[in-house]
Amino acid sequence: DIVMTQSPDSLAVSLGERATINCKSSQSIFYSSNNKNYLGWYQQKPGQPPKLLINWASTRESGVPDRFSGSGSGTDFTLTISSLQAEDVALYYCQQYYATPVTFGGGTKVEIK
Amino acid sequence: QVQLQESGPGLVKPSETLSLTCTVSGGSISSYYWSWIRQPPGKALEWIGYIYYTGSTHYNPSLKSRVTMSVDTSKNEFSLKLTSATATDTAVYFCARVSPTGSTGGPFDFWGQGTLVTVSS
Repeated sequence: DIVMTQSPDSLAVSLGERATINCKSSQSIFYSSNNKNYLGWYQQKPGQPPKLLINWASTRESGVPDRFSGSGSGTDFTLTISSLQAEDVALYYCQQYYATPVTFGGGTKVEIK
Repeated sequence: QVQLQESGPGLVKPSETLSLTCTVSGGSISSYYWSWIRQPPGKALEWIGYIYYTGSTHYNPSLKSRVTMSVDTSKNEFSLKLTSATATDTAVYFCARVSPTGSTGGPFDFWGQGTLVTVSS
């Protein structure tokens, strides 16, 4: 199985400041034939299902604010919230869909400092 | 807008079968892959498997011996059965749609609200 490791487990950021979440896969999830990284990022608020924010490592879903951005390739990926808003307090998960079983990271909790 | 809704018993006795159904509304179940994902209380997400509208399936090897998924296109729903339930199967169970712009394993663009299933006597 491809193991997804997120860091940090939690972070506290001041409103308007940048939040950065890292995700590392145990093997490359880049498929050279289509030049895509098979990685998604989700946001989960208490009592709600996860919401897909970004797919293919860097493509924002429709309606997702542009303060959310994804980057990285191969085995190392980052989700950046450029200017943290109160409504961004949540758990964030990365997920690889390069190979089955599909696997998720352990999650990163983002809070307001 | 596609909506998914899980249904089924919230309490299952140990050694019995956990059964859930996901009803899809606002769109057809056809031509998509559909998944079950679970989340034990306070823990991360675990993929259970996927089913295509044709009925073809792929399960997580960690659960494969106990899992069966099925689909009923006439009712626009798909189902999960997990046999020999134990306390470690206690979790919120989500059904989700695999994005048509993704691959068979994801990402998941529409999710049900989730249903808590507790395995306890």
